[in-house]
Parts: sequence; structure tokens; C-alpha cells
Amino acid sequence: GENVEQHPSTLSVQEGDSAVIKCTYSDSASNYFPWYKQELGKRPQLIIDIRSNVGEKKDQRIAVTLNKTAKHFSLHITETQPEDSAVYFCAAGYTGGFKTIFGAGTRLFVKA
Amino acid sequence: DSGVTQTPKHLITATGQRVTLRCSPRSGDLSVYWYQQSLDQGLQFLIQYYNGEERAKGNILERFSAQQFPDLHSELNLSSLELGDSALYFCASNRIAGGDNEQFFGPGTRLTVL
Repeated sequence: GENVEQHPSTLSVQEGDSAVIKCTYSDSASNYFPWYKQELGKRPQLIIDIRSNVGEKKDQRIAVTLNKTAKHFSLHITETQPEDSAVYFCAAGYTGGFKTIFGAGTRLFVKA
Repeated sequence: DSGVTQTPKHLITATGQRVTLRCSPRSGDLSVYWYQQSLDQGLQFLIQYYNGEERAKGNILERFSAQQFPDLHSELNLSSLELGDSALYFCASNRIAGGDNEQFFGPGTRLTVL
């Protein structure tokens, strides 16, 4: 069945360093890959997404890359700040499908 | 504020009981998704409705059921509750039925089963 694997489960970085979270999906029909950020006690919110016709997308300090052949996509956060500390979820969905499959999440700690 | 509302915010009940969680999607959204998030766990997809019809099912237990009403709000019914059902339940909405668009999450309902 459909599956999204996410690594690492926990990531601790020093403020100013970069953080990379990686995901692998199983359904080759997937063509939409969102990333959600969930701060403690709050709702998940979309921070960036990418579609399969694009290999990379950047928004300020956040970038996402997609390798459709390998079924991998990654989130890159540069110049991390303490407020980046949260749980990050990757997900995969596809046009015509009705659900989005989420990864298990990565808890990011940014140490000041 | 995403525009998605959920009530109640907190719910404490006993094992064996039945509860109903309510979700109102963003204005104009036709799809509602329900997720379960246990402590330190990911988002487990339960079920999706589009314009009143069930469209997709995840690992939803038989003790759980949901529906979407003509005004597009949705209710998740949990019965014969067990300790393991304690979790944060989110609903999300978006405008279309497809899995290729952003979902807007509500604030969640925290269910505690004692």
C-alpha cells in the first residue's frame, strides 16, 4: 500500500546550522509533496510544497528538492533559528487520489 | 487561524463511552479529512468526505464512524472507547477531492479516555 518514510525521527542542530529531512514515498502516482510544520500544541500548517513537474523549490530559508526517479524528496532549512523548533511532516498525494499520506514526522530542535 | 473550527477543544470521558467530535470546514471547502495523532506520533489518516460522500478510508477502526452533513460540517463518532483512543483528533479541509492540494487543519480536539 501507500507509504511515506521519513528520516530522521529527531534532529538537533545548533542555531545557524542547516537541517535536512528526507522522505521516501512508495506510490509512483504521487505528484504532490507538501511539508507541514507543527509547533507544540498547535495545528499542522503548510510551509512549502512541490509538484512533480518541478525538481526544486525555494522560499527564503526553506527549500524542497524532489527526485522522482528515486522517489525521494527532502526539506532543507538553512540558517536555522530557535523558532524553527517543531515537528515537520512530509506527505505525498496525487491528482485523482483522495488522500494524502503523511510521514511519521521529524522533531527538530534548534539550540541557541 | 485556518478557518477550520473544531469542537470541543477538550473531552474527557471513560472507557466504554461514546463521543462525537465536530468539525466545520473553511467556507467554500467541500472536502473534510479526519486524522488521529497519538502522543508523539504522526498523523494517522482516518477518513475523508467530499460534498457529503465518503471518498477515502484509512486505518479507521470499526468502532469509529463519520459523516458529512448537507451544510458540509462533519462529525466523527467514537464508540466503546478504550484507553488507547486517547489522542488529538484533527480535521482538515480543502476545496477539492484530490490529494494534491494543501489541507487546512483545525485546532484539534484532545480526547482523554480514563
